[in-house]
Amino acid sequence: QQQVKQSPQSLIVQKGGISIINCAYENTAFDYFPWYQQFPGKGPALLIAIRPDVSEKKEGRFTISFNKSAKQFSLHIMDSQPGDSATYFCATGAGGTSYGKLTFGQGTILTVHP
Amino acid sequence: DAGITQSPRHKVTETGTPVTLRCHQTENHRYMYWYRQDPGHGLRLIHYSYGVKDTDKGEVSDGYSVSRSKTEDFLLTLESATSSQTSVYFCAINQGYNSPLHFGNGTRLTVT
Repeated sequence: QQQVKQSPQSLIVQKGGISIINCAYENTAFDYFPWYQQFPGKGPALLIAIRPDVSEKKEGRFTISFNKSAKQFSLHIMDSQPGDSATYFCATGAGGTSYGKLTFGQGTILTVHP
Repeated sequence: DAGITQSPRHKVTETGTPVTLRCHQTENHRYMYWYRQDPGHGLRLIHYSYGVKDTDKGEVSDGYSVSRSKTEDFLLTLESATSSQTSVYFCAINQGYNSPLHFGNGTRLTVT
């Protein structure tokens, strides 16, 4: 069973601070690395995704950093806001299969205090 | 919600009873998936479908079956529910092979 290990389990950040969530994977065949954001009572929603041909991708306040040799990737949330309080999941998708067949991390509960 | 409706949203059932969860999409997407979400496990793939009557098993398929007789509907059946199947079940769709996955709002199932 392929695993994706996500840390930390929970994270508390002050408004305006930087939130960092890390994920490590095992299977080098993975070539799609999305992050999902989930609010209570809702399904996960795609936040940002990266392919291994780049080391970093930025969309607004959200950045994915990717380290192929270490088999790790991380989500950075700059200028964290109370509205960012949610559960975040990293995931991986294997090359040659659908991007719908994802292996997810365990999730990180982010709380941003005002 | 990417045009995905899951029903029911909540259900309580007894051990040993059959349960069917429904996923309906209005996007005419070919690909549909069932995931379950449990604390400490993230989301895990149960079954998926690449088209009408074309389904396959995911990571945690034991105790579950699926059917897809129409493009828009994907049914998940627990033939004989067990307490270990207490979970939140999410349906998801994507448009094509390499397109992003979109989730419905889930069904919370409690097996007593």
